[in-house]
Amino acid sequence: DVKVTQSSRYLVKRTGEKVFLECVQDMDHENMFWYRQDPGLGLRLIYFSYDVKMKEKGDIPEGYSVSREKKERFSLILESASTNQTSMYLCASSLGPRGNQPQHFGDGTRLSIL
Amino acid sequence: QKEVEQDPGPLSVPEGAIVSLNCTYSNSAFQYFMWYRQYSRKGPELLMYTYSGGNKEDGRFTAQVDKSSKYISLFIRDSQPSDSATYLCAMFRAGSARQLTFGSGTQLTVLP
Repeated sequence: DVKVTQSSRYLVKRTGEKVFLECVQDMDHENMFWYRQDPGLGLRLIYFSYDVKMKEKGDIPEGYSVSREKKERFSLILESASTNQTSMYLCASSLGPRGNQPQHFGDGTRLSIL
Repeated sequence: QKEVEQDPGPLSVPEGAIVSLNCTYSNSAFQYFMWYRQYSRKGPELLMYTYSGGNKEDGRFTAQVDKSSKYISLFIRDSQPSDSATYLCAMFRAGSARQLTFGSGTQLTVLP
């Protein structure tokens, strides 16, 4: 089974802090994704990566950056956290650079910015 | 208009009922269809994955795709309280597996 592990289930940070969310997958997947999920807005794609050191913006990249130094690890960075970034953050991975394989999700990090 | 429409519910059924969950979509280029189950405070879990039209069955779950009507369904037979969750449909075009389009999710409660 695919395992996508997010380092924290719950996180509380303060406005203006730099926040790191970590995600690791154990299935040698090429593609990795970061989403946020908010009531009434569903899942929205922040960034994705299809290879080490490669990244592409999703639908809502403002205020976020990402890092992929190793194939199995994809980090989401909130450069200067703001209260409107309080949300559930979901990491996902999928196989193949242009394949037709589904995404597999981690259990999420519920982030609160005070 | 959203590319994928899904009734958010909530939907409540008695244990043992047959549940029907549905999504409609507008983009005829979608060819790959998924259903995810999401329990409260957990991430979405892949439940069913189908290509193009037709049916796929896995235990108590059946996924159905009607491309002519741009309509997909998930049927749950003999529903159990453990099936209580939010169900999300998702789909993508061939070669664009990176870019899923999700429905908004249907919240299901199965009452014992």
